[in-house]
Amino acid sequence: NAGVTQTPKFRVLKTGQSMTLLCAQDMNHEYMYWYRQDPGMGLRLIHYSVGEGTTAKGEVPDGYNVSRLKKQNFLLGLESAAPSQTSVYFCASSYASGRPEQFFGPGTRLTVL
Amino acid sequence: DAKTTQPTSMDCAEGRAANLPCNHSTISGNEYVYWYRQIHSQGPQYIIHGLKNNETNEMASLIITEDRKSSTLILPHATLRDTAVYYCIVMTGGYQKVTFGTGTKLQVIP
Repeated sequence: NAGVTQTPKFRVLKTGQSMTLLCAQDMNHEYMYWYRQDPGMGLRLIHYSVGEGTTAKGEVPDGYNVSRLKKQNFLLGLESAAPSQTSVYFCASSYASGRPEQFFGPGTRLTVL
Repeated sequence: DAKTTQPTSMDCAEGRAANLPCNHSTISGNEYVYWYRQIHSQGPQYIIHGLKNNETNEMASLIITEDRKSSTLILPHATLRDTAVYYCIVMTGGYQKVTFGTGTKLQVIP
């Protein structure tokens, strides 16, 4: 079991560029989440998904889009990157019932110049 | 979700028990208390959760007061690898708009 994996681990973008972060999980979890973490702050929820083909906004969704075409994958897109989106991005997944704890990936460190 | 309050930082001597407090005075009857930790630069890691009874697993113990307004996470024999930020969260389970807050930074000292 690889658990939750994230691609890429690091990325540097210029303002206005676009990119997609990929999250994959092999635990057959129904729920998936994208968080961002800025220095000295806790995690903030960007978007989440409660199942294949469904997505919803979290606490800080502006400037991001997501898609969940397959149950095991959750993509986070930045259409026009801004310096304010410089952050560490974490993906997580969890079961819909039973054990509800979230399992996190190792993170993607994104810098927007 | 109920809001939680944790101390900003704590120190603990290696080999001693680390007791991390959390206040959640507005917790509702169906909300669980969860603890996660985040070791530097890594993704958060689930530790333990409970509803109203004390819980223990291979990592830690969770003590919840009878009125459920506060709880304590206990690491029985802290090691240097336990140095991390510890987050106390309350939620009903399943998906929640989870707020991790800033947690308690635990420094284990040799």
